[in-house]
Amino acid sequence: GNSVTQMEGPVTLSEEAFLTINCTYTATGYPSLFWYVQYPGEGLQLLLKATKADDKGSNKGFEATYRKETTSFHLEKGSVQVSDSAVYFCALSEEETSGSRLTFGEGTQLTVNP
Amino acid sequence: KAGVTQTPRYLIKTRGQQVTLSCSPISGHRSVSWYQQTPGQGLQFLFEYFSETQRNKGNFPGRFSGRQFSNSRSEMNVSTLELGDSALYLCASSLAADTDTQYFGPGTRLTVL
Repeated sequence: GNSVTQMEGPVTLSEEAFLTINCTYTATGYPSLFWYVQYPGEGLQLLLKATKADDKGSNKGFEATYRKETTSFHLEKGSVQVSDSAVYFCALSEEETSGSRLTFGEGTQLTVNP
Repeated sequence: KAGVTQTPRYLIKTRGQQVTLSCSPISGHRSVSWYQQTPGQGLQFLFEYFSETQRNKGNFPGRFSGRQFSNSRSEMNVSTLELGDSALYLCASSLAADTDTQYFGPGTRLTVL
């Protein structure tokens, strides 16, 4: 079946540091890939997505490129801020014979210190 | 446009009781999915509804059920609650069953005592 593996956390960085959160996936077909972010006490917010190989998703300074050859979708940001502190989830969606479902990674807790 | 809304936001129940959670999707969205989030198991898919029909189901016992109404609002029900059902239950909506971007609500925090 489908699966998503994220780098283990938690990750602690200083403000303005470079961020990478690794994500690799296993899927039988050609999934769409997502990064969601969850702030304390809230639901999930879509951060970015990519629907086919070599696509780059970007939003709010975050980027991720769909790499089919390495089955990866690593999240990067050049300069993190304290407000980026949250839990980040990598996910894939693969349409099944009826409807679709999201398969999530374990989540990576990011803390950014001033 | 209003986002996905879920009610109630917090709920406390005791073992053996049943509970019903409600989700109102983004206006115009016809697909609603439900997920359970726990510290131990992470985010797990429960089921998806589209046009009042369950189109997809995760690996949960029959105590977990749901339905969708003609206005796309959805409810999920858990009967005979167990301690392990304590979780954040998240609802997500998307425009159509074949559109894969899902938008999440704030969740309902269920505590089973």
